[in-house]
Amino acid sequence: EIVMTQSPATLSVSPGERATLSCRASLSISSNLAWYQQKPGQAPRLLMYGTSTRATGVPARFSGSGSGTEFTLTISSLQSEDFAVYYCHQYNNWPRTFGQGTKVEIK
Amino acid sequence: EVQLVQSGAEVKKPGESLKISCKASGFSFTKYWIGWVRQMPGKGLECMGIIYPGDSDTRYSPSFEGQVTISADRSISTAYLQWNSLKASDTAMYYCVRHSNSGYLLDSFDPWGQGTLVTVSS
Repeated sequence: EIVMTQSPATLSVSPGERATLSCRASLSISSNLAWYQQKPGQAPRLLMYGTSTRATGVPARFSGSGSGTEFTLTISSLQSEDFAVYYCHQYNNWPRTFGQGTKVEIK
Repeated sequence: EVQLVQSGAEVKKPGESLKISCKASGFSFTKYWIGWVRQMPGKGLECMGIIYPGDSDTRYSPSFEGQVTISADRSISTAYLQWNSLKASDTAMYYCVRHSNSGYLLDSFDPWGQGTLVTVSS
C-alpha cells in the first residue's frame, strides 16, 4: 500500500498570505494525484486532479505541482473561505490512499 | 446536475446488519466507477472499495475485504454499502463518490455524496 504523508499537519496563515502544502508518496505515483478540501460538517470537494489541473469552479489562486513522489498544493493568497482541511489522494495504485490531511487555520 | 444522494443517518447495535444507499442522478450510472470512503470521527479519509455498475466489477481495499459488501442496482441507479455484523469500530461517516471521468479506473473522486453517519453502540 502506498503511504501518503502530508506536511505540515497544521498550517497557520494570515488572510492574504501564501500557503504551501506538501504531500509525499512512499512510491512513485506518476501524476495520479488529487487534492480535496473539506470544511467542517461538509463532504470533501475535489480541488485538483492530475497533480495540476483545477477542478471545475476552483479559483486560480489554487495551483498544484510535482510528480513521482513529491507534490505541492499552493494557495497564492488565502481567502477566508480557504480555511479548511486539505487531503491529497493517490489513484495510481490499489488500494487508493489519502494523506492524513493538513489543516489550514487562521493565524 | 450530477448528484449522489445518500440515505439518512443510522443508529445500530453491535452485531446488527445494515445497508446504506447512494442514489445517482444526472449521469450515466453504468459508465462510471462508484466508490465508498470512510471517515472515522475526527480522522482522515479511507477508500473502502469501488464498483463499476456496468458489469458489477468490484474492487475492495485490503482493510475492508470481507468486512463489507459493495453492490449496485443499475435499474434504479443506486449503489450500496452493506455490513452483516456491525462493530462499534464501524462508527463513522461514509461517503459515496464517483470517479471524475467515464470509464476511467485511475481517477479522482468527483462528486461526493453528502455522507451517511453510522453510529454503532450498545
